[in-house]
Amino acid sequence: GQQLNQSPQSMFIQEGEDVSMNCTSSSIFNTWLWYKQDPGEGPVLLIALYKAGELTSNGRLTAQFGITRKDSFLNISASIPSDVGIYFCAGPRMDSSYKLIFGSGTRLLVRP
Amino acid sequence: DGGITQSPKYLFRKEGQNVTLSCEQNLNHDAMYWYRQDPGQGLRLIYYSQIVNDFQKGDIAEGYSVSREKKESFPLTVTSAQKNPTAFYLCASSIYGGLVTGELFFGEGSRLTVL
Repeated sequence: GQQLNQSPQSMFIQEGEDVSMNCTSSSIFNTWLWYKQDPGEGPVLLIALYKAGELTSNGRLTAQFGITRKDSFLNISASIPSDVGIYFCAGPRMDSSYKLIFGSGTRLLVRP
Repeated sequence: DGGITQSPKYLFRKEGQNVTLSCEQNLNHDAMYWYRQDPGQGLRLIYYSQIVNDFQKGDIAEGYSVSREKKESFPLTVTSAQKNPTAFYLCASSIYGGLVTGELFFGEGSRLTVL
């Protein structure tokens, strides 16, 4: 079945550093979504991408929809302590747009 | 403020007991979902409902049951048939069942621990 592979699994960085994470699949996706989950909370949508090659920013966050439609990247610039959390990529399944597939997440820790 | 409310936030249960997790939304969303989250794993879909009085099994529905008698409410029952129920449960909703915009709104989650 469709799967989303996220890397890295975890990152421990210094405050102020830039962060880059990605999500890949062997299947094509028509939409890529990036969510952030704070500890003990539900995920919140950060960025949605709907077109191959699209580059979208939300403050210090930038995400890109890969040209092949099989991957997506999320970058965070000048990280701050509140960036701590788990970042998930997600996309609608081919068999049903009602169902999202989620990657296993990238856990980000920021050292002040 | 509009949002999704899950309760209880923490729940302990003995083996063999059924337990019901509550999920209420005041966003006037048509669709509602239940996901399960285990450490180091992505979210897995348990059940979803596109409209009132209708719901569909997700990928891991065995041992769970739901109802959708009101648009605002989508409770999840974890039955004694669920072999490994200890997990973090997330309820979500979306404006349309077809996920046109892709945006799911999540509740704060309920952490169930089986003793």
